[in-house]
Amino acid sequence: AQSVAQPEDQVNVAEGNPLTVKCTYSVSGNPYLFWYVQYPNRGLQFLLKYITGDNLVKGSYGFEAEFNKSQTSFHLKKPSALVSDSALYFCAVRGNTGFQKLVFGTGTRLLVSP
Amino acid sequence: DGGITQSPKYLFRKEGQNVTLSCEQNLNHDAMYWYRQDPGQGLRLIYYSQIVNDFQKGDIAEGYSVSREKKESFPLTVTSAQKNPTAFYLCASSIGPRETEAFFGQGTRLTVV
Repeated sequence: AQSVAQPEDQVNVAEGNPLTVKCTYSVSGNPYLFWYVQYPNRGLQFLLKYITGDNLVKGSYGFEAEFNKSQTSFHLKKPSALVSDSALYFCAVRGNTGFQKLVFGTGTRLLVSP
Repeated sequence: DGGITQSPKYLFRKEGQNVTLSCEQNLNHDAMYWYRQDPGQGLRLIYYSQIVNDFQKGDIAEGYSVSREKKESFPLTVTSAQKNPTAFYLCASSIGPRETEAFFGQGTRLTVV
């Protein structure tokens, strides 16, 4: 069965500094990987996904993520954080055979200070 | 506008009552999902449906029921058998089963009073 681990409950970063939100996964076969962001009392918004190809994936709002197959990781990154990036971030994985449910990590709260 | 609409946004239920959460999408997506979100636990899958008139249990289906009579609608009923129903419920849909991302509604916060 597939699983996702987000080892940090919270990440703190100063505005203008680079940020990284970590994600590792476990799945049989090749993974489909996703990042979502959630603002308070709202649904999840899709940021980016890795399906195949280039290991560096670019997404919405200046975010990017790097797929590392040997480390089974898919860390979310942004070169320069904004206060408005403060939110809850979820990593998710889905297997690539048959109908596969989307499995989410427990989420990482990002707090960007001015 | 295309998207997923969940209603109501807030719902209060007395113990022992069944309640139904609405989820409608106009994205023409085949697959639809219900997730439950609790603090510190991420999202857990309750039910999912690949096509009309078909649905499967997710990881925490006990105390819940669904129907998929129309492509655009996937209502969730929280029954009195659900022991701890207070949570934030999220509905989602996707074009297909694997590589496509899921789109989420704005959620329904259910509170048992």
